[in-house]
Amino acid sequence: QVTLRESGPALVKPTQTLTLTCAFSGFSLTTSGMCVSWIRQPPGKPLEWLALIDWDDDKYYSTSLETRLTISKDTSENQVVLTMTNMDPVDTATYYCARMRGSDWSVEYWGPGTLVTVSS
Amino acid sequence: EIVMTQSPATLSGSPGERATLSCRTSQSISTNLAWYQQRPGQAPRLLIYDASTRASDIPIRFSGRGSGTEFTLTISSLQSEDFAIYHCQQYNNWPLTFGQGTKVEIK
Repeated sequence: QVTLRESGPALVKPTQTLTLTCAFSGFSLTTSGMCVSWIRQPPGKPLEWLALIDWDDDKYYSTSLETRLTISKDTSENQVVLTMTNMDPVDTATYYCARMRGSDWSVEYWGPGTLVTVSS
Repeated sequence: EIVMTQSPATLSGSPGERATLSCRTSQSISTNLAWYQQRPGQAPRLLIYDASTRASDIPIRFSGRGSGTEFTLTISSLQSEDFAIYHCQQYNNWPLTFGQGTKVEIK
C-alpha cells in the first residue's frame, strides 16, 4: 500500500525559507521509473506543479520558481524534501507530495496535503 | 510552457445527466494527458491517464478521449459523489502543467 504524508510548518514569515518533508511508504525511490513531485494549490485556485525528483536523482523544476526551489531525496529514510526560499504571502497554499505512475508523469498517489500560510 | 484551458469553468447538472468537460492545450501533447477529480477538502484523485485509460477502481461512467490539443472527459450519468472539481494535466513537456479546473455542481 502506497502512502505519502507531508510535514512542515503551518506558518512562515515573509522572506523565510520553507522546508517541507514528504515521508512515503509502499515503494522505493531506488526503483527504476519511480518519481516524486511537489504540487501546490492556493486556496480556491488551480493546481501548480513545483518540482520532481526521480529514482536516478534527476530533478526538474517549475520554470517560474526554479531559482527558489530545491528538491532532494533520502532513500534510506524514504523521504523527499522541498525547500523554497524567500517566501511571500502569495505562496500561501496547500502543498502536496505525490508519486507519479512508473510509466508516465501522471500522479497516481497523493498525500493529504499540508496548508502553509505566509504571514508576518 | 504548455497552457491548459478547461471549459466550462462551471458545469451545472442534475443526477443522472451526462456531463462533458473540455481541456485544450496550447500545443500538441499526443495523448499525454491525465484527468483528476478533487472533492472539497481532499487531495485530487487520478481518474484517467493517457487521455483515455481509466485508473484503478474508477467507475466506467468516467471516460476520456482526445489527442493532440483537444480532450474531453465524459461522465455518462452524474452521481451525487461526482459533484467536484475536475483538473486536466499534461505530461508531454516540461514543466508539467494543469488546467484551471472545471467545477461540476448540482443544478
